[in-house]
Formats: sequence, C-alpha cells, structure tokens
Amino acid sequence: AQKVTQAQTEISVVEKEDVTLDCVYETRDTTYYLFWYKQPPSGELVFLIRRNSFDEQNEISGRYSWNFQKSTSSFNFTITASQVVDSAVYFCALSEASAVRASGGTSYGKLTFGQGTILTVHP
Amino acid sequence: EAQVTQNPRYLITVTGKKLTVTCSQNMNHEYMSWYRQDPGLGLRQIYYSMNVEVTDKGDVPEGYKVSRKEKRNFPLILESPSPNQTSLYFCASSFRGAGYGYTFGSGTRLTVV
Repeated sequence: AQKVTQAQTEISVVEKEDVTLDCVYETRDTTYYLFWYKQPPSGELVFLIRRNSFDEQNEISGRYSWNFQKSTSSFNFTITASQVVDSAVYFCALSEASAVRASGGTSYGKLTFGQGTILTVHP
Repeated sequence: EAQVTQNPRYLITVTGKKLTVTCSQNMNHEYMSWYRQDPGLGLRQIYYSMNVEVTDKGDVPEGYKVSRKEKRNFPLILESPSPNQTSLYFCASSFRGAGYGYTFGSGTRLTVV
C-alpha cells in the first residue's frame, strides 16, 4: 500500500529564509509518481511538480527546488529566499503505477497525499 | 477555460438529510475522484472513477456514494449525512490516471449539524 508522511506539521520562518519541507514515501512499486501541491489561504489546490520514479535528477524552478532520493524514499521541497506569498499548506502525494483496486485488478486512479505542512512566512 | 466545477461551495445541512455535491469537468478527462480534507489528516480519497460506469473505492468510502453516468459528471452523494462527514471536499479529474496528476475543483465546505 502506498503511504506518504510529512512529519513537519507546521513551519514558521521569516521572509528571505530558506525552508525545506520533508516528504517520505512508502511503496512496493518500482514505477511510481510523486507530486507536490500548494494550498494557499484561498483554499484551492495548485499543482507544483510531478516526478516519476526513474528520474532522480533534482529540479529547480525559480525559487523552488526538489530533491528526489530513492535511497531514502524522500522527495523534499526547498523554497529559497521565502516570501510572504509562499505561506500555504503544502502537500506531497504519491501514485503507484500498479495500485490495486479495491475490487481487484489494477487501478491508475489512486493518489495518496501526506498530512500536509503548514508554512507561515512572516514579513 | 479548462476547469473542474463543483457545487455548492458551502453547504450546511442536518443529520440524515440526503444531499448531493455535483462535479463537472470540461477537459474530457477519463479519471475523476473525490477527496475530503480534514485538519491533520491531509486529503483522503473517497472514490474514484476510471471511466463511465466504472468506479472504485478509495481509502474512506464509508457513508458516500458516487455515480459516473456521463464522462463529464461525477456527483458525490451522502444519503444520510452525519456530523463526522463535516469536511472540505474536493473533486478532481485527470486525463489518464493519477500518475498524470489531478486537477482539482475549488472545494465544497460541508457542515453537518
């Protein structure tokens, strides 16, 4: 069964600090997909990144970067020079390529989320 | 505009009174799903659908029903709501499965008193 753990419930930083959000996952599959979503105070869920299990290259997008390490089953997210607008709840999620359906057979519909990390960036 | 639309945005109801939360997507996506979000628990999958007339249970299906009679619509039905179903609900859709990521609706905040 797929599982995602975000051990940091809440993080508070001051603007311009760097912050890393941790994500640890469990899966028996060799093929799987990892995601990060952002939920700002307005409540919508915003897709940030998708990474497949065969691509361990780190990715950088502006102030955002992601570190994927299969050896430790982690997919951590770093925000460099944080800003107040980064304040949000961040979710890590996992989808196994061959998740088993409750009724039998393979499903491609399961996406499992972690508990979320509340990030507050103070001015 | 490509989107997932769910209605209503807010709903207060009483225990036992059947309700339906509607969800529609205009992207011709095959997969649709319902999640509930609760503090400290993150988002938990209730049901998902792989295509018309094909649905399956997620992690917390008890107390919910779904149907997929048309590709674009995936309503969530609470036949006898209880206070423990007070939550924030999200509908989502995906082109070809969760591995491609889901696009989420704006959410429905349900309160059962």
